Amino acid sequence: ETGVTQSPTHLIKTRGQQVTLRCSSQSGHNTVSWYQQALGQGPQFIFQYYREEENGRGNFPPRFSGLQFPNYSSELNVNALELDDSALYLCASSDRGSNSPLHFGNGTRLTVT
Amino acid sequence: AQRVTQPEKLLSVFKGAPVELKCNYSYSGSPELFWYVQYSRQRLQLLLRHISRESIKGFTADLNKGETSFHLKKPFAQEEDSAMYYCALSGGTSYGKLTFGQGTILTVHP
Repeated sequence: ETGVTQSPTHLIKTRGQQVTLRCSSQSGHNTVSWYQQALGQGPQFIFQYYREEENGRGNFPPRFSGLQFPNYSSELNVNALELDDSALYLCASSDRGSNSPLHFGNGTRLTVT
Repeated sequence: AQRVTQPEKLLSVFKGAPVELKCNYSYSGSPELFWYVQYSRQRLQLLLRHISRESIKGFTADLNKGETSFHLKKPFAQEEDSAMYYCALSGGTSYGKLTFGQGTILTVHP
């Protein structure tokens, strides 16, 4: 069983740039959720994808967007990066049909300078 | 709005002592509560969920709807329990959309 993998592990970007983070879900999982974890805080829900459509969104602006592909992998895109976007971005996959709990990846550490 | 509060940022105990990590929540409906754990250099992983009503690694947690709490307990702490612990809530039909607390760092001293 392959777990959730995220790439890249670390990334440094400049304010105003755009970034794409990638996530491969665990085998058999059809739902992907993205979380932002600022330093010293718990993860915050960004959005979730199921059957290639956004299925719920947290309190994040539209410059945070995503995609889910037919193989259930997913991308998180952030436009017009701001300094406050510096955080650990976590991807979690799950199987909606069996109400399985979330399985998290190791995260991508994004630094915006 | 839903909210999860973990009042202790840091908690230190000695090996063999009982440990309780506190979690209080705010939610108007019927929530599902979880405890996630992150050991050093490892990914965030599920420790237990209240609907399973099971004990994992000696930890238990009971949902108290009257006090809106879901405290995590273990009667005899072990050094390998040292980790960051997060309490999380999922509300109603919000499958997979968790609200996390800020976390508690547990340190078990030998």
